[in-house]
Amino acid sequence: NAGVTQTPKFRILKIGQSMTLQCTQDMNHNYMYWYRQDPGMGLKLIYYSVGAGITDKGEVPNGYNVSRSTTEDFPLRLELAAPSQTSVYFCASSYEAGSSYNSPLHFGNGTRLTVT
Amino acid sequence: KNQVEQSPQSLIILEGKNCTLQCNYTVSPFSNLRWYKQDTGRGPVSLTIMTFSENTKSNGRYTATLDADTKQSSLHITASQLSDSASYICVVSLGNNRLAFGKGNQVVVIP
Repeated sequence: NAGVTQTPKFRILKIGQSMTLQCTQDMNHNYMYWYRQDPGMGLKLIYYSVGAGITDKGEVPNGYNVSRSTTEDFPLRLELAAPSQTSVYFCASSYEAGSSYNSPLHFGNGTRLTVT
Repeated sequence: KNQVEQSPQSLIILEGKNCTLQCNYTVSPFSNLRWYKQDTGRGPVSLTIMTFSENTKSNGRYTATLDADTKQSSLHITASQLSDSASYICVVSLGNNRLAFGKGNQVVVIP
């Protein structure tokens, strides 16, 4: 029972490089999310998706892109990496909207990204 | 502005002792409040969920309380264990897929 799986676990990028953070879930959840967690700060929503083919911006979408071609996968793309994107990135999924009573977010274990 | 403030930022407790974590929120509209536990190097995991009509919810040694009038919640850990060392995150739901996250209470349990 894998839940939400994120790869890679760690990555170091040079300024200006690009990369894709992978996220897949095996719970058949419609809702998926990308968050970033900076030291001493609360989680910030980057992008979310309510189903295959549907994505929307969160609080901090600049510098990122997403796609949702299948229910299972929700990759996050970083174009032209900047030092401000150094963070821990968490993917999450939920059965219903994550704000609803019966639907907690299920998180992956994160990708720690450093941009130098 | 929707805010969730947690205190203390961090604390150290002896194994076997109790502790209480606080969460104050200025969020509107309010739908529900959830506490998550985040172990080091892992993603958060849901502990409890409460809506405005519930003022206490337990999950094993974890007991959460909610006072919707004063917009305060607490998480009480009873008879702490080394495995309770983690960050505890208060998350308030505004409904419509919107969440406000606190910064977390970092708890360290020492033998």
